[in-house]
Amino acid sequence: DIQMTQSPSSLSASVGDRVTITCRASQGISNSLAWYQQKPGKAPKLLLYAASRLESGVPSRFSGSGSGTDYTLTISSLQPEDFATYYCQQYYSTPLITFGGGTKVEIK
Amino acid sequence: EVQLVESGGGLVQPGGSLRLSCAASGFTFSSYEMNWVRQAPGKGLEWVSYISSSGSTIYYADSVKGRFTISRDNAKNSLYLQMNSLRAEDTAVYYCARDGYDPQLFDYWGQGTLVTVSS
Repeated sequence: DIQMTQSPSSLSASVGDRVTITCRASQGISNSLAWYQQKPGKAPKLLLYAASRLESGVPSRFSGSGSGTDYTLTISSLQPEDFATYYCQQYYSTPLITFGGGTKVEIK
Repeated sequence: EVQLVESGGGLVQPGGSLRLSCAASGFTFSSYEMNWVRQAPGKGLEWVSYISSSGSTIYYADSVKGRFTISRDNAKNSLYLQMNSLRAEDTAVYYCARDGYDPQLFDYWGQGTLVTVSS
């Protein structure tokens, strides 16, 4: 199975900060990478797919980049509603898709 | 509006069984592949099972293979997960999730149903 390693596991930031979360795959995944946002007690929500494509309705302050094994989710200016846990997911090796361990973004 | 609504969770003893359901609406259910994904309390996400749109192709995670059975009824717009020989480590919120633009890229999720395996 492809292992997905997210870092950091948690971070504290202020409203307006630029936030970057990284995800590293144990092997190349050809941009078959998605990012999800999950708020407490809620289902995950798709933010980006194909590493950098924004899902419809997702604010443009969210962006993704990367290639090969290393990928990044960036929030350009953190908003109050962005405090949540973020997961990456590789869908390169279907059906054995795997998720990263999550990054909890907390208020500083 | 796409909606996925899970039901059937609850408290069950180790070794017991439970059947989860996911009612779909707002889209042509029979055209989409579906999955179950679970999340243990305070933990991350784990894919559990996949079923193709016709039901002809099915996959399971190793952790549930031989104990869980995924199925669907396209006439009823419903997805199911039969869970047998349940273990404490199966305790989790179970989500049904729809395949989106690519295989196993999940564009819609249900709200989840909690399964607790405990004596």
